[in-house]
Amino acid sequence: EDKVVQSPLSLVVHEGDTVTLNCSYEVTNFRSLLWYKQEKKAPTFLFMLTSSGIEKKSGRLSSILDKKELFSILNITATQTGDSAVYLCAVGSSNTGKLIFGQGTTLQVKP
Amino acid sequence: GAGVSQSPSNKVTEKGKDVELRCDPISGHTALYWYRQSLGQGLEFLIYFQGNSAPDKSGLPSDRFSAERTGGSVSTLTIQRTQQEDSAVYLCASSQSSWTGELFFGEGSRLTVL
Repeated sequence: EDKVVQSPLSLVVHEGDTVTLNCSYEVTNFRSLLWYKQEKKAPTFLFMLTSSGIEKKSGRLSSILDKKELFSILNITATQTGDSAVYLCAVGSSNTGKLIFGQGTTLQVKP
Repeated sequence: GAGVSQSPSNKVTEKGKDVELRCDPISGHTALYWYRQSLGQGLEFLIYFQGNSAPDKSGLPSDRFSAERTGGSVSTLTIQRTQQEDSAVYLCASSQSSWTGELFFGEGSRLTVL
């Protein structure tokens, strides 16, 4: 059964800290891994990763995929209170079009 | 439309009643997904439509749940004889195709079963 596991489940940091969120997966015929940010309702897209070792970067956020060890990390540097959200990891398979999501990591950034 | 639209945004119903949740995807998007999110949980896959292909219903939790997509656009998720454990936020998402990966989500329909 396809599975996505995120850790930690929750995290509290102070502004300016750097955080690393983890996502490990087991999926048949991996196609892509995606990161989403969910603040209140609709998750918003952050990154899509398909190749190992290639870092995707957007401002203070970056992500990388390791297809050999079956995991991805999402880094946030110089955190701000606006980074407080649930971060979701999802994995897609070539066998099917559906995306399987992990449980999410709840990040709280304190002033 | 400009984004994925879902209605109603909130629905309170009594146990045993049927409910219908509607999703209007982004125009031109061929893939449509339904997910369920319980309080403090991740997204649980329910059902996926891709073009004219048969839908992937593998995530529907029971035969009380069904969904259809008419004309390749609007989708309706129906829950019959609702139970308290059905209380959750039901999120709809669409994508240009099943292979682009990036899903665009609606704001969700919060269902409360009393």
